Amino acid sequence: SQKIEQNSEALNIQEGKTATLTCNYTNYSPAYLQWYRQDPGRGPVFLLLIRENEKEKRKERLKVTFDTTLKQSLFHITASQPADSATYLCALDERSQGNLIFGKGTKLSVKP
Amino acid sequence: KAGVTQTPRYLIKTRGQQVTLSCSPISGHRSVSWYQQTPGQGLQFLFEYFSETQRNKGNFPGRFSGRQFSNSRSEMNVSTLELGDSALYLCASSFIAGNTNEQFFGPGTRLTVL
Repeated sequence: SQKIEQNSEALNIQEGKTATLTCNYTNYSPAYLQWYRQDPGRGPVFLLLIRENEKEKRKERLKVTFDTTLKQSLFHITASQPADSATYLCALDERSQGNLIFGKGTKLSVKP
Repeated sequence: KAGVTQTPRYLIKTRGQQVTLSCSPISGHRSVSWYQQTPGQGLQFLFEYFSETQRNKGNFPGRFSGRQFSNSRSEMNVSTLELGDSALYLCASSFIAGNTNEQFFGPGTRLTVL
């Protein structure tokens, strides 16, 4: 069956450390993958998009990797801050379905 | 530029009633997608509209329907509400149809069915 899984429901880290979130998928062949941030009571906000032919993408303190062999994307936040605390969602396109499919998210808490 | 707006923000209904939710996309965006978000299932795709036509539909019963107007504003309707329809309903707009574009989400409508 097709699955998209974000391995941790919750991740707690200390301020200043690097947070690493994982997104794995099964039986999909996405052309690209997106990461979103969602704060309580608000809609998701787009962060980064990485295509299947890209290994890595960076934006300020954010880095995303995409390994189509492992069927996995990693999302890193370096020098994390309490303001980075939120739920992070990965989403992939599925060529045959024509819409984004979201993981359930990882709730990140950065402690001062 | 104003963001995506959704009305109402909160709604309480009883089983068997119907409800209409509204979404105004970012100016110039012609694609509007709707999602249902629940703690158990996460974000699930309902449907996408582009230029007043339903372009894609998720795996939801026919009680869930939608439409898009010529100004790109969209509405979704849920008839014969069930307790399980309680959720956050999000709409998202993008400039063109297709998933290569980032989705701009509204704040959502929190629907509670009693």
